[in-house]
Amino acid sequence: DVKVTQSSRYLVKRTGEKVFLECVQDMDHENMFWYRQDPGLGLRLIYFSYDVKMKEKGDIPEGYSVSREKKERFSLILESASTNQTSMYLCASSFSQTEAFFGQGTRLTVV
Amino acid sequence: GENVEQHPSTLSVQEGDSAVIKCTYSDSASNYFPWYKQELGKRPQLIIDIRSNVGEKKDQRIAVTLNKTAKHFSLHITETQPEDSAVYFCAAGTGGGNKLTFGTGTQLKVEL
Repeated sequence: DVKVTQSSRYLVKRTGEKVFLECVQDMDHENMFWYRQDPGLGLRLIYFSYDVKMKEKGDIPEGYSVSREKKERFSLILESASTNQTSMYLCASSFSQTEAFFGQGTRLTVV
Repeated sequence: GENVEQHPSTLSVQEGDSAVIKCTYSDSASNYFPWYKQELGKRPQLIIDIRSNVGEKKDQRIAVTLNKTAKHFSLHITETQPEDSAVYFCAAGTGGGNKLTFGTGTQLKVEL
């Protein structure tokens, strides 16, 4: 069974805090992704990575950065959290042109 | 970058009827088209996918068609059942890194 595990299910942070969301996969997938999910907007790609230390911006990278120091781990960083970053964050991993497996999601609330 | 549009945003059908969800994409380089189902409170899960060298694929009650010329693809669910009620997302995969861009989702409700 493929496992994609996100470090937290729920997080509450204050405006201006630096926030780290962690994601770990156990299938040796080369691709990893961070999406945010908002009602009516679907899954919007923030960043993705196709190899260790490689990253590419998705459609909404502003206010976020990522780190991939090891193949199995992909971190999303909110440099200075703002209320408009309150959302559900989903991590996923895959081999190219194959099924992407999602983590359980982190519901982040910025107050 | 790739833009994926999905319609309708909500769809209500009677049990046993068919449901069709349509997506269009903008990047002619996209070559992988998966469909995901997300039940309430759960993570999205793949239900079917198609690659650009194939025009149609079927798996029991679910089928997907792809028209590369028109840049659109569709999900067809036949003999719908209440457990088909969920949000369905289409996506387009681009490039060797398989960047996946998703549509905005369709809330399907199957009524008894």
